[in-house]
Amino acid sequence: AQSVTQLDSQVPVFEEAPVELRCNYSSSVSVYLFWYVQYPNQGLQLLLKYLSGSTLVKGINGFEAEFNKSQTSFHLRKPSVHISDTAEYFCAAYHSGGYQKVTFGTGTKLQVIP
Amino acid sequence: DAGVTQSPTHLIKTRGQHVTLRCSPISGHKSVSWYQQVLGQGPQFIFQYYEKEERGRGNFPDRFSARQFPNYSSELNVNALLLGDSALYLCASSDLTGGLYGYTFGSGTRLTVV
Repeated sequence: AQSVTQLDSQVPVFEEAPVELRCNYSSSVSVYLFWYVQYPNQGLQLLLKYLSGSTLVKGINGFEAEFNKSQTSFHLRKPSVHISDTAEYFCAAYHSGGYQKVTFGTGTKLQVIP
Repeated sequence: DAGVTQSPTHLIKTRGQHVTLRCSPISGHKSVSWYQQVLGQGPQFIFQYYEKEERGRGNFPDRFSARQFPNYSSELNVNALLLGDSALYLCASSDLTGGLYGYTFGSGTRLTVV
């Protein structure tokens, strides 16, 4: 079963507009959740993580995400996007116990339109 | 400090051949995880190593193997290459939790099998 599901494969948005990238997680995973960004021809970079505490998590580059246990969601938001935010974004979950690993969603390509 | 270094950056191999990919984690990290990212998909977990021991293995055939050296660098080996092995192979460096506080990724090795 998929641990994290990214509902949108591509999201076009105009520059300076707000954006939300959606992620839902399986209730069977531990609630350690992440968002990573991948720029073309590069590895992944950690944007933010939720381990415990406040459900609103702030990350780098002005991004934030809200952990919602009742809706099993961890959506990523930015109030105003820039051209430089064009990249692919991956939601991920950490699995503890037994084998430790991080599983990734299928990714959402954010295309910022000038 | 140097980041996670992977070598080579690109290579082309023929079906049936063998390939070795290399990774050096960032200073202070003792865990290395390997991921395969096929074009258009999220990274898929292959292996995690900590202190030279395998701590996790994903759903990959026995053609895939890895090891970690005393200096914490790692090698990923793939035998009898198939066209479907063409992908970006990512190395992720972390502390002993294997990614709980986030990974630091290398830029990857782009493998093309022809």
